[in-house]
Amino acid sequence: IQMTQSPSTLSASVGDRVTITCRASQNINIWLAWYQQKPGKGPKLLISLASTLESGVSSRFSGGGSGTDFSLTISGLQPDDFATYYCQQYKNYPWTFGQGTTVEIK
Amino acid sequence: VQLLESGGGLVQPGGSLRLSCTASGFTFSDYAMNWVRRTPGKGLEWISGISGSGGTTYDADSVKGRFTISRVNSKNTLFLQMNGLTAEDTAVYYCAKGQQVYCTTTSCLFDSWGQGTLVTVSS
Repeated sequence: IQMTQSPSTLSASVGDRVTITCRASQNINIWLAWYQQKPGKGPKLLISLASTLESGVSSRFSGGGSGTDFSLTISGLQPDDFATYYCQQYKNYPWTFGQGTTVEIK
Repeated sequence: VQLLESGGGLVQPGGSLRLSCTASGFTFSDYAMNWVRRTPGKGLEWISGISGSGGTTYDADSVKGRFTISRVNSKNTLFLQMNGLTAEDTAVYYCAKGQQVYCTTTSCLFDSWGQGTLVTVSS
């Protein structure tokens, strides 16, 4: 299953609301996760089951969608949120990721 | 939960390397473990997984027959033996913890990751 994210790069300011989209090449129901990665660190799991926030993750993050189209929204962007975000499908082996979206400071 | 990878480095094409991942903070044998790599061109790529007992392994086609995942539960350590390395294997390699003892359809997402170890394949 191919996962396609858009945009590849997103320039935004502190306080902005931003949305990243992820499209699957076939129906994955809600078996989608979102990760955040910062330079020099491993990815951090933010959301599972397309919209379930992991424990300790800020409520600024929200996920949505089902089937083939999904979104990750960050409301009120904070300095700590500038990072690269990946979606991952876990409906079918092999588990695949989107190519990533880098949220950078405008 | 802490995961610490080691063993990366510079290796010539056709060479071999063995990566290790030492885990702490959880009951290691209760969880599937995986290797995921990140390349500039492809982003994140899951490459190999192993069940909690070590009895079941899964590999991506890109590494099948060249890479072998294994684990020693008594030492809380995960391994990745990489043979026949090519330039396309140049990447940062992460170990990643699964959420259940088996990584199966609808359950294979990764709730903890190490910081990664860099593997560079070049002459």
